[in-house]
Order: sequence, then structure tokens, then C-alpha cells
Amino acid sequence: QQQVKQSPQSLIVQKGGISIINCAYENTAFDYFPWYQQFPGKGPALLIAIRPDVSEKKEGRFTISFNKSAKQFSLHIMDSQPGDSATYFCAASGSARQLTFGSGTQLTVLP
Amino acid sequence: AAGVIQSPRHLIKEKRETATLKCYPIPRHDTVYWYQQGPGQDPQFLISFYEKMQSDKGSIPDRFSAQQFSDYHSELNMSSLELGDSALYFCASSLTAFTEAFFGQGTRLTVV
Repeated sequence: QQQVKQSPQSLIVQKGGISIINCAYENTAFDYFPWYQQFPGKGPALLIAIRPDVSEKKEGRFTISFNKSAKQFSLHIMDSQPGDSATYFCAASGSARQLTFGSGTQLTVLP
Repeated sequence: AAGVIQSPRHLIKEKRETATLKCYPIPRHDTVYWYQQGPGQDPQFLISFYEKMQSDKGSIPDRFSAQQFSDYHSELNMSSLELGDSALYFCASSLTAFTEAFFGQGTRLTVV
């Protein structure tokens, strides 16, 4: 059973558009929620992360929105660029610190 | 900035052989994690070490073992390899006081 559910599985966006990826979790012990970007054959690269004490965090074109009561969080990529085309994973961890990943979203940004 | 170094990058082994994957964490990072990623799958946690001691264990087969050495590098030993072990193996490291985990480029293991 996937502890962190991610949607959509794939996403196609026009250049300059907004990409939105959603995740939901079950384990209320999770207290750290990062997003990773992965290109084919490469390791996941940390993009941005949030903790439950804030509802939103923005870094450049990337924003995480967090809804603790709904146990959901999302990644918004503003002004999406073709170079953003990659697989995006949400993840969560608690005191044990190892990451539980979502199933991934393959983002394609059309030029 | 220094990153997590993994070696080898690619490895081809036959069934029932053994393999050793190495991970060199970011300097001053004392925690190492190992993940397995199958084709089109999300990374699955295998095992982690903090200060050279095993800290958590995930879905790691009994055929696999790992350790962290005095210089904080880690090795994942895989024996009696099976075709299903073919995957990307990632190592990540983090500082004790922080939670951010940084991943290496991975080792692609192919079992034939």
C-alpha cells in the first residue's frame, strides 16, 4: 500500500504555464515533506521541502502548499520551462528519517 | 560543492554472483541511506546508517548486507544475485541536525 499517493502520473504543460502535482499521505507521524526532481539515469535532486508548521513555502519558481488537516501537499511550478521536463517525486519522512516516496509524475513541458 | 559519490556507475553481473556497491557521503555527513529504484518505479528504502551503526531497515533482502566504515563511506553487499535485483541503487547522505538528504548519481546494476 502506497503510504504517499501522488497524482497525476503524467502531466503535459505548455511553456510558461503552471505545473501542479499533488500528494496525499496517511501517516500523521510524517513531519518533513520534500520534493525531488529526477532526470533519466540520474539521482533524485532535492528541489524544495516543507514542514507542517507552515502552509506554504516558495523558492524561485517552485512553491509547496501544505494542508495539514487534509494531509495533502502540492508542488506548483510557475512559468514552466522545457528544461523542467523530468520526473517529480514527492516524499515524506518522520522521526525514522528515511524517505517514503510517491509514485512519481512525469512532467513534459512543450516548447 | 562536494556531492555524494557512488561507484561503480554501472555493473553487470551474472545470476548467483555477488556485487559490492560503494558510497562516499558528502563531507561531514554522518548518515547514509540506500535506496533501490526499479524501472519506472519510485525509490524504495533499503537500509540506513548513523555514526557507523545501522539505524533503520526497510525492504532489504536477507541476501543483501551493508555497513558504514570509520571514514563514513558505506558499502552495500549483494549476494546470490537474481534477475529481479536489476535496478538503480542510490545512496543518499544527510547531516544529523538536518533532514535534507542528498542523493548520489546511482549505480545501475544489471543481472544477466
